[in-house]
Amino acid sequence: EVQLVESGGGLVQPGGSLRLSCSASGFTFSSYAMHWVRQAPGKGLEYVSAISSNGGSTYYADSVKGRFTISRDNSKNTLYLQMSSLRAEDTAVYYCVKVGDGGAFDYWGQGTLVTVSS
Amino acid sequence: EIVMTQSPATLSVSPGERATLSCRASQSVSSNLAWYQQKPGQAPRLLIYGASTRATGIPARFSGSGSGTEFTLTISSLQSEDFAVYYCQQYNNWPLWTFGQGTKVEIK
Repeated sequence: EVQLVESGGGLVQPGGSLRLSCSASGFTFSSYAMHWVRQAPGKGLEYVSAISSNGGSTYYADSVKGRFTISRDNSKNTLYLQMSSLRAEDTAVYYCVKVGDGGAFDYWGQGTLVTVSS
Repeated sequence: EIVMTQSPATLSVSPGERATLSCRASQSVSSNLAWYQQKPGQAPRLLIYGASTRATGIPARFSGSGSGTEFTLTISSLQSEDFAVYYCQQYNNWPLWTFGQGTKVEIK
């Protein structure tokens, strides 16, 4: 059974940093691109970042470019999102997402809440 | 960036009735279109990929159609558990994937 379990969310002050982790199991982690998608309270889904299966290619939405860094450790089956210079508008539930063979997001974690507030 | 526009924003439907949701892309995404269902407090769930292929375990009352720029999700006979928010997503050009703003299906 595929499982994606996020951790690392919490309350952080504006300008602060946080690192999210996503522990993956039930599939060959090193074979799949992985993504982070976020959802602000009461809002829709926003694509945040992506990383290729071997970590060689990464992508960031303009809203987080230069502040967030996506990475992965295939030996630990873990995906990361290092977030810095956090802003109030980064407050959201952050989901770790696996890409399916068809190209769509076939599995989602339960999400971890990041709250940026003083 | 490809902009995905969903309509309507809210759809009021009675249980047992048919629901039709629309999604339009600002440029062609071929058949690289997915639909997700999200219930309150839960993560989204993949319903349809490739515009018309049901994901594993998705009931046959859910169907998708379309290609290019116009797509439709149809729920043939709404069940109580189908009242939720539905999002479309294009994944035509890695990694510039985008979501629509969502359609809320509510009980009439």
